[in-house]
Amino acid sequence: DAMVIQNPRYQVTQFGKPVTLSCSQTLNHNVMYWYQQKSSQAPKLLFHYYDKDFNNEADTPDNFQSRRPNTSFCFLDIRSPGLGDAAMYLCATRSGYNNEQFFGPGTRLTVL
Amino acid sequence: KNEVEQSPQNLTAQEGEFITINCSYSVGISALHWLQQHPGGGIVSLFMLSSGKKKHGRLIATINIQEKHSSLHITASHPRDSAVYICAVSGNSGGSNYKLTFGKGTLLTVNP
Repeated sequence: DAMVIQNPRYQVTQFGKPVTLSCSQTLNHNVMYWYQQKSSQAPKLLFHYYDKDFNNEADTPDNFQSRRPNTSFCFLDIRSPGLGDAAMYLCATRSGYNNEQFFGPGTRLTVL
Repeated sequence: KNEVEQSPQNLTAQEGEFITINCSYSVGISALHWLQQHPGGGIVSLFMLSSGKKKHGRLIATINIQEKHSSLHITASHPRDSAVYICAVSGNSGGSNYKLTFGKGTLLTVNP
């Protein structure tokens, strides 16, 4: 089935140790999003790609970076995770032709 | 005031009951989304609406564009319906149609 896949589902890292989260999609969608969701809060958009065009939200910390090497894959790099970065990280995709977003299952990040 | 307001915030029901969750928004939209998130889990898109009504199994979503209001109904509720239900809207101006504005969610608990 076409879908959005996130790996790993659970990630534990140490304070300050770089970590990379992965998202892949088989939907061939133009747009890929990364959201951060903290407990009992709505998802917060960090950035998105429209094809290769990267769009950063104004309040996304510099600690968060992203790469999209091809249509199918998008990575979220956290350069120096702090305790406040512990959250669920959600990847979503959207076709360029309509507004429906398809979400992956999320990666829950724990920072020790 | 949030651009997307949901009510109620918490809802407890007995198995078999008819459930209604409401969403009001104050901005122009191109589409309204109903999303489901089980505790600790990722997000699943239930519906995307720009007008009228949609039905999928026991779930029904309606939208009234003039009143800027949408409802999500669950018929014959079941404990497995227990989750957070999130209303989100896509904007309709400038580049805002790429971005979802989320409500705070409604936590539904269905008891057996």
